[in-house]
Amino acid sequence: ELKVEQNPLFLSMQEGKNYTIYCNYSTTSDRLYWYRQDPGKSLESLFVLLSNGAVKQEGRLMASLDTKARLSTLHITAAVHDLSATYFCAGVREKLIFGQGTELSVKP
Amino acid sequence: GAGVSQTPSNKVTEKGKYVELRCDPISGHTALYWYRQSLGQGPEFLIYFQGTGAADDSGLPNDRFFAVRPEGSVSTLKIQRTERGDSAVYLCASSLGTSSYNEQFFGPGTRLTVL
Repeated sequence: ELKVEQNPLFLSMQEGKNYTIYCNYSTTSDRLYWYRQDPGKSLESLFVLLSNGAVKQEGRLMASLDTKARLSTLHITAAVHDLSATYFCAGVREKLIFGQGTELSVKP
Repeated sequence: GAGVSQTPSNKVTEKGKYVELRCDPISGHTALYWYRQSLGQGPEFLIYFQGTGAADDSGLPNDRFFAVRPEGSVSTLKIQRTERGDSAVYLCASSLGTSSYNEQFFGPGTRLTVL
């Protein structure tokens, strides 16, 4: 059974700083997704990681996948307030299995 | 084109009542998924359909929950004898097929509050 764990669950950052969110999963996942969720809103797809060593970047966010370690990371570079949201990773075996989410707060 | 739509956006009901939540998938998407997101948690899988049939309903918490998709398009999630613990956001997603390689697209969700 696929299980997904994220850490940290809460992250308070200062603007301009860098940080990484970690996503571990327990068994083979066909893909790895990262989503953003703003309060009261639905899920916005950020990245789809397809294979070992995959790296994708969009603005200040970069996601990577190590299938051997069953680990994905979401790296935030020079955080800005607009990045404040909850971030979820999810593995997939037909259905999506989500981590608990990381609530990110970026303060000036 | 239109994305996944869900109605109502908010539903407040009393304990013990029956509710129906509707999902309209993206046109042409044969797979449809229901997830439930409790406050402060990640979404949890409930059920998914391929066409009209439920391919996997292992996430439904108990027999008060039931979902249908009679014509292979719109789906309705039905909850009988609602309990306060059913309060959550119910998310629907659709994809071109049930393969893990088809991305799921999410609707805006229905926020259910059971008083």
